[in-house]
Amino acid sequence: QLQLQQSGPGLVKPSETLSLTCTVSGGSITSTTNHWGWIRQPPGEGLDWIGIFYNGGSTNYNPSLKSRVTIAVDTSKNQFSLKLRSVTAADTAVYYCAQYDTSSGWFDPWGQGTLVTVSS
Amino acid sequence: DIQMAQSPSSVSASVGDRVTITCRASQGISTWLAWYQQKAGKAPKLLIYVASILQSGVPSRFSGSGSGTDFTLTISSLQPEDFATYYCQQANSFPLTFGGGTKVEIK
Repeated sequence: QLQLQQSGPGLVKPSETLSLTCTVSGGSITSTTNHWGWIRQPPGEGLDWIGIFYNGGSTNYNPSLKSRVTIAVDTSKNQFSLKLRSVTAADTAVYYCAQYDTSSGWFDPWGQGTLVTVSS
Repeated sequence: DIQMAQSPSSVSASVGDRVTITCRASQGISTWLAWYQQKAGKAPKLLIYVASILQSGVPSRFSGSGSGTDFTLTISSLQPEDFATYYCQQANSFPLTFGGGTKVEIK
């Protein structure tokens, strides 16, 4: 059973880079059927898709964030990561990692979520 | 971008009630739709994908239907553990987008 465990700081200063990591257990991050995504949820609001890292190494990002976001995989640690540069208060949200299924376009399972607050 | 509109935004219901949630896409998405359940303080959980396929382990009281632009999620007999917020997500095209959510509350 695949499980995702998130880690990373809960407080980031404005203009700095938000960095989160998602550790995969119960399966290999390099499996051909596994692809990885990030989604965020501002406090009290709905869900916003951030981006996807495909097993072959390509990525797909939300155009609204594309200039500031990078999703990458560290195969040696069975982890994937999110970096969001030049953050502002509008980036304050709970960030989730999740496995992405390319055949049907859904996310499952999800990590536990990390509340990241952007504040000085 | 494809906009996903859910209705109602909240519904009050009692245990045993039948609850129906609607999701409307701003353009046709065939059956590329997923439904998620999110309980307070927890990550979303996949319930249904491709509009009507129940994810493994999800109780059969949940069902999904629809195609094109109009979709429904039905809970046939609401149980105490079903009080949560439900989201639809279109998987037809990028950027992937979610509905605004429907909160199912205790009446």
